[in-house]
Amino acid sequence: GEDVEQSLFLSVREGDSSVINCTYTDSSSTYLYWYKQEPGAGLQLLTYIFSNMDMKQDQRLTVLLNKKDKHLSLRIADTQTGDSAIYFCAEIAYSGAGSYQLTFGKGTKLSVIP
Amino acid sequence: DGGITQSPKYLFRKEGQNVTLSCEQNLNHDAMYWYRQDPGQGLRLIYYSQIVNDFQKGDIAEGYSVSREKKESFPLTVTSAQKNPTAFYLCASSRTSSGNTIYFGEGSWLTVV
Repeated sequence: GEDVEQSLFLSVREGDSSVINCTYTDSSSTYLYWYKQEPGAGLQLLTYIFSNMDMKQDQRLTVLLNKKDKHLSLRIADTQTGDSAIYFCAEIAYSGAGSYQLTFGKGTKLSVIP
Repeated sequence: DGGITQSPKYLFRKEGQNVTLSCEQNLNHDAMYWYRQDPGQGLRLIYYSQIVNDFQKGDIAEGYSVSREKKESFPLTVTSAQKNPTAFYLCASSRTSSGNTIYFGEGSWLTVV
């Protein structure tokens, strides 16, 4: 079945770059997403990438997609203390008969050290 | 402002009682979803609805029930049959269920005492 894997924890120093990695197994992915969850809050859509792209940049965020290796990464430049949160990788893949399935990873907790 | 509103934010329930969590969206989305999140865990799909008056079970539907009488509303009832109901519940919606981006509400904390 479909699976999305992420490392659970990442610590970086304020001002450094953070790279959060994600691997997925479903080759029929259409879109891949990054969501941010602050403590006690819902998930906020950060960015997404269509499966026929290999890179997308949005201000401090860079998403890289290696479709051959089924590897997705989120790079946050100049990481700030406000970036401390849990980051979820998610994919939408076509599951047949007009249906799509959304699968989330377990989330990576990013801790930014001042 | 358009968005997804969940209420209440915090809810305490005694064992053996049913409780209903509200989810309303004014985004004109057809599809709505309920997820459960346990501490340190990812999201697990409880129920989803692709259109009014229709819904399907997700991965962990046992002990839960839903209704979709209106496009903008998708309430979740946590019944006494749910053995471990204490969790963070997230409602979400998307324009359709066919690969569109999913947007989330702010979540509801349910604690069983």
